[in-house]
Amino acid sequence: AQKITQTQPGMFVQEKEAVTLDCTYDTSDPSYGLFWYKQPSSGEMIFLIYQGSYDQQNATEGRYSLNFQKARKSANLVISASQLGDSAMYFCAMREGDSGYALNFGKGTSLLVTP
Amino acid sequence: EPEVTQTPSHQVTQMGQEVILRCVPISNHLYFYWYRQILGQKVEFLVSFYNNEISEKSEIFDDQFSVERPDGSNFTLKIRSTKLEDSAMYFCASSAQKQVNSPLHFGNGTRLTVT
Repeated sequence: AQKITQTQPGMFVQEKEAVTLDCTYDTSDPSYGLFWYKQPSSGEMIFLIYQGSYDQQNATEGRYSLNFQKARKSANLVISASQLGDSAMYFCAMREGDSGYALNFGKGTSLLVTP
Repeated sequence: EPEVTQTPSHQVTQMGQEVILRCVPISNHLYFYWYRQILGQKVEFLVSFYNNEISEKSEIFDDQFSVERPDGSNFTLKIRSTKLEDSAMYFCASSAQKQVNSPLHFGNGTRLTVT
């Protein structure tokens, strides 16, 4: 079964607008961490933001914020004031407390920022 | 900012040949990982390594794969007899802790092409 689901294969947003990238997850472990990574066309994986299952507040990191809805098991990434350089693949990923070390990735969402 | 470095950035090899992919994790990190990403697909966990031994491995990590930390800084992935389906981007990653809130920091990847 899929642990991480990203239902949007591709998204478009205009420069300076905000965009939300969806992520839902599946776990029975009470302790888990959710991560978002950016992969530009050059291929590297860049860590963006983290949300812990016990965190009371939504994580924020500059223009990135996480809309964490624990009951719905969703952890959507919000990018505010989009820039052309935000065009990339975005991956949601999860680490579970009991599963060991592995980071499980979703299939990703391709974001294109247009002028 | 410290980073994970991988060499080479691109490796072309013939089917049946052995390849060694090299990584230098972030210096104070204790946990090391290899992931792969077949073109256009999701990022898949291969193996994690801690205290000079494999901590966890996926079904993909069969007998043709091995990992080693030959000295205090390098972390290598060896594929003994490459197959066409081994063509992928291979990412090395490291983390400071095993805990769920410890992000993995990825290198820029090695693109392996098996012909």
